[in-house]
Amino acid sequence: NAGVTQTPKFRILKIGQSMTLQCTQDMNHNYMYWYRQDPGMGLKLIYYSVGAGITDKGEVPNGYNVSRSTTEDFPLRLELAAPSQTSVYFCASSYPVGGAQYFGPGTRLLVL
Amino acid sequence: TQLLEQSPQFLSIQEGENLTVYCNSSSVFSSLQWYRQEPGEGPVLLVTVVTGGEVKKLKRLTFQFGDARKDSSLHITAAQPGDTGLYLCAGGGQSDSGGSNYKLTFGKGTLLTVNP
Repeated sequence: NAGVTQTPKFRILKIGQSMTLQCTQDMNHNYMYWYRQDPGMGLKLIYYSVGAGITDKGEVPNGYNVSRSTTEDFPLRLELAAPSQTSVYFCASSYPVGGAQYFGPGTRLLVL
Repeated sequence: TQLLEQSPQFLSIQEGENLTVYCNSSSVFSSLQWYRQEPGEGPVLLVTVVTGGEVKKLKRLTFQFGDARKDSSLHITAAQPGDTGLYLCAGGGQSDSGGSNYKLTFGKGTLLTVNP
């Protein structure tokens, strides 16, 4: 199993540009999550999904969108990138029982 | 409002020393997880505790969940340089807000450096 994979690993965006962060898991987990991690701030939940076709907002959803057309994929879309979106983004997945989450390696995004 | 407070924020020790890091909350959680994150990587689950007063051991690491399920501690015996990393606690099923186990609330982490 590859677990949770994320692409790209690193990206530089100009203010106002858009991009999609890709996330795929091969563990057949129903639950998937997107977090952002800023220095000294821990992990903040952006969006989550409890299954294909179902998504919901987390703690910091503004400026982002998600979709979940399959169990395996959970892309995160940034529209009109802003410097405040400079961060490291982690995708995770889990079984519902116990809630243990499995994380991808992260995407480092710099908005200039 | 930070629901899970971790302390200390930073800890630098010498190889062979013992240490304890803490995770405290005013809320009750149905489960508490500890993750370790190494630079440039995603967090990796170390342990899940679900019963008040529960103690779990993972080699030199001892995890405890408070009796009231509001706090937890991680004790490392004879720390090694390989223990260096960011230690995150995460609570699931926050009872005073109807939280579910699959959504976790993370603390800000304790950055541990073990010097050879």
